[in-house]
Amino acid sequence: DAGVIQSPRHEVTEMGQEVTLRCKPISGHDYLFWYRQTMMRGLELLIYFNNNVPIDDSGMPEDRFSAKMPNASFSTLKIQPSEPRDSAVYFCASTSRRGGYTFGSGTRLTVV
Amino acid sequence: AQSVSQHNHHVILSEAASLELGCNYSYGGTVNLFWYVQYPGQHLQLLLKYFSGDPLVKGIKGFEAEFIKSKFSFNLRKPSVQWSDTAEYFCAVDNSGYALNFGKGTSLLVTP
Repeated sequence: DAGVIQSPRHEVTEMGQEVTLRCKPISGHDYLFWYRQTMMRGLELLIYFNNNVPIDDSGMPEDRFSAKMPNASFSTLKIQPSEPRDSAVYFCASTSRRGGYTFGSGTRLTVV
Repeated sequence: AQSVSQHNHHVILSEAASLELGCNYSYGGTVNLFWYVQYPGQHLQLLLKYFSGDPLVKGIKGFEAEFIKSKFSFNLRKPSVQWSDTAEYFCAVDNSGYALNFGKGTSLLVTP
């Protein structure tokens, strides 16, 4: 199994541009999570899905952020428009049971 | 509010020293507890987990953690650290389903 795959690994964009982060969970995992990691706030849960349905999006910082999971093997996190304070590492994780996640390698986003 | 607290933000140890990283949580009821490690530039990996049973849990790479319910604590220990243990360590709690709430992390530097 290739694990949780995220793309791109690094993204540098200008303020105001749209950014789309992608995640492919492990096959068979029915839970998918998006986290944001910053020095100041640590790891914050943004949103998670179960069977492609968003369960809790209370961590999404504002309307500029949106996430979708059109099928069991793909999810996107979109920021539109992006701002410098969105700069962070965004992790995707998946699991099929309570017991710990498998994390992707993350996308390091820099908004200038 | 529900929270996970890691008391030490930065720890510096010499090789062969013993390690103990503190973790306290403020959730009521049944909890599942985890420690994750993040090596520099990498994603989070599961070190160990506690669901029930023996409160002393052994994980990978010689790490162990003890769940003390009366103290709401789940401290991570290792008798003798190595340079390769240099990393960031995150405590996490799951008490309402599949979503994990993470502490802010402890950065460990092991010097030769």
